[in-house]
Amino acid sequence: EAQVTQNPRYLITVTGKKLTVTCSQNMNHEYMSWYRQDPGLGLRQIYYSMNVEVTDKGDVPEGYKVSRKEKRNFPLILESPSPNQTSLYFCASSLTGNSNQPQHFGDGTRLSIL
Amino acid sequence: GDSVTQMEGPVTLSEEAFLTINCTYTATGYPSLFWYVQYPGEGLQLLLKATKADDKGSNKGFEATYRKETTSFHLEKGSVQVSDSAVYFCALNSAGNTGKLIFGQGTTLQVKP
Repeated sequence: EAQVTQNPRYLITVTGKKLTVTCSQNMNHEYMSWYRQDPGLGLRQIYYSMNVEVTDKGDVPEGYKVSRKEKRNFPLILESPSPNQTSLYFCASSLTGNSNQPQHFGDGTRLSIL
Repeated sequence: GDSVTQMEGPVTLSEEAFLTINCTYTATGYPSLFWYVQYPGEGLQLLLKATKADDKGSNKGFEATYRKETTSFHLEKGSVQVSDSAVYFCALNSAGNTGKLIFGQGTTLQVKP
């Protein structure tokens, strides 16, 4: 089954404790992206990757890092999490970064930073 | 910059009622337009899309037409079911925009039996 898999689904942690949210897709997609969803704001892009070893900032990259060492994986790293990063996070992928390509989303990771 | 505006929710309808969720956009060039649906506890699923002016996207009884003259992409369904209760997001992706989806704030639909 074609899917985007995120882990963990839920995490409660404390300020400053490094964490990684993993994302993996099995569709051989070139393009991957991370979004955060906050009430009343919709989804906003954090980082994206056009292909392996190619990543760039989205609209809200502060406090986050990413890497793309393999085509299927695109982890999101919070080096020193803070309470304002409490949010619902989605990983997405598409065949390419072309504007007409629909993106496939994971089920989300709900992070609570205390 | 590019943006998407959706009608405020929540929208509450009775089963079999007609649904319209308004969506307007601002973009340079000719974006592709999408509707995504999010069921409770799940990720976003593509509902339908349109990639050029006057295109009509349709799926599962939902329809939306890309109207360049009014910069709109309103979602419609003739007869909603309880199972359609979800959050609906309108989004655009501008050509040359690095694949980024720009979302509206989402509209919650609740359908009562």
